[in-house]
Formats: sequence, structure tokens, C-alpha cells
Amino acid sequence: DSGVTQTPKHLITATGQRVTLRCSPRSGDLSVYWYQQSLDQGLQFLIQYYNGEERAKGNILERFSAQQFPDLHSELNLSSLELGDSALYFCASSVGGSDYNEQFFGPGTRLTVL
Amino acid sequence: AQKVTQAQTEISVVEKEDVTLDCVYETRDTTYYLFWYKQPPSGELVFLIRRNSFDEQNEISGRYSWNFQKSTSSFNFTITASQVVDSAVYFCALSEADSNYQLIWGAGTKLIIKP
Repeated sequence: DSGVTQTPKHLITATGQRVTLRCSPRSGDLSVYWYQQSLDQGLQFLIQYYNGEERAKGNILERFSAQQFPDLHSELNLSSLELGDSALYFCASSVGGSDYNEQFFGPGTRLTVL
Repeated sequence: AQKVTQAQTEISVVEKEDVTLDCVYETRDTTYYLFWYKQPPSGELVFLIRRNSFDEQNEISGRYSWNFQKSTSSFNFTITASQVVDSAVYFCALSEADSNYQLIWGAGTKLIIKP
């Protein structure tokens, strides 16, 4: 158990809908990262927050947004969902703000868009 | 060009065999970090090792060992006496100053250990 929690574990929704994925980092970790893993794209970095502020942005679509709250938990919002958004979404946390710190991953949220 | 190449898409061996997973990276930085992560069938990514560019010493942890060679830009991972529980997808990743230390992931190698 990495200490990173993600909810929900599974999510099934329809195209055009909006969903929110939630992540709680390990105790003491200030950084939260979001990744998307799909079969054809591999592991794609979406966005990083450090102590409440956006630190780095990857291949995140404009339909997607995230935030990190004062208690350090984070939410990833996915809107106007398309079939291609079906994927495993991971949250990871690390103690520092840079990727050279090891990241600890949550169990993921499997999103299925029908 | 890919910065982290895991050329082996899938490897299948019989239990107790040794197996090496290759990772070749590309960077112009002198300071960088290399990682290996394991993703078992359950899905969760598990951190295995981090190595910085100034430490070329090989690392051994039980049946796992890592061979870091700057001369060939490789950071290979060997499992000795493989076990069925080692079946997983293994990812190599690079963190470099040029990319603001954002992790750059390889495509992963799927390792299948047959009983």
C-alpha cells in the first residue's frame, strides 16, 4: 500500500458527461501528479500540483482541469467526455516539487466512457 | 526521438530463469535521475529504484539488480531466478533538468513468467 488513495475505483459514464476524480496524497507529501494510462498511448503525464499551486503541465486537454486543495488532496475534472477518454487515471504523490523525487502511485481510477 | 527507449515490448520466460529488461535513455544533462517502476496485473505502479547520474554503482536488492552504464546510456534491470509474481509491466523513466525534471516514461516492457 503506497499510502495514496484514489476514489472512485471504477467509473462508467456516457459521452458528453463530466466526472471528478479524487486523490489524497501520502501523509507529508506536497506534490500531486495526475497521469492517464490508455492502451494505445502508454503512461501520459497530465499535470502536477505542489502545495496548492500548479507546478507543471503535460499533455492535458482543455476539457480537463485539476486543483489541489489546502488539505493537499486533489481533484481531476474531466468534462465533455469522449470515448477516447476511457483510460486508467493515476494519481501520484511525492514529498518535493521535482520529479527527481520518487513518486508513489495510487491504485488508479478506471474510467469507461460509453 | 524517444528519450527513454524500452525496446522489448514483451518478454516471456519460464520460472527460475534470469531475465534482463533493457532501458536506453537520451539526455544532454549531466545531472539526471533514472527510475524503474513495476505495474503488476493489479494495476498499481510500484516504485523500485531511483539512481542519479553521479552514482554509477550497480545496485542489488534481493533477486533484483540494476546495471547503470553512462557510456552506453543504459540502465538495465535484471531479475535473477524469476518467479511468477514478477509478472508485470516494468517502466523505466528519466528525470532531467532540460525537461524541468518532469518524468519521461518509457513505453514499458511486459514481462510474463510462466510456471
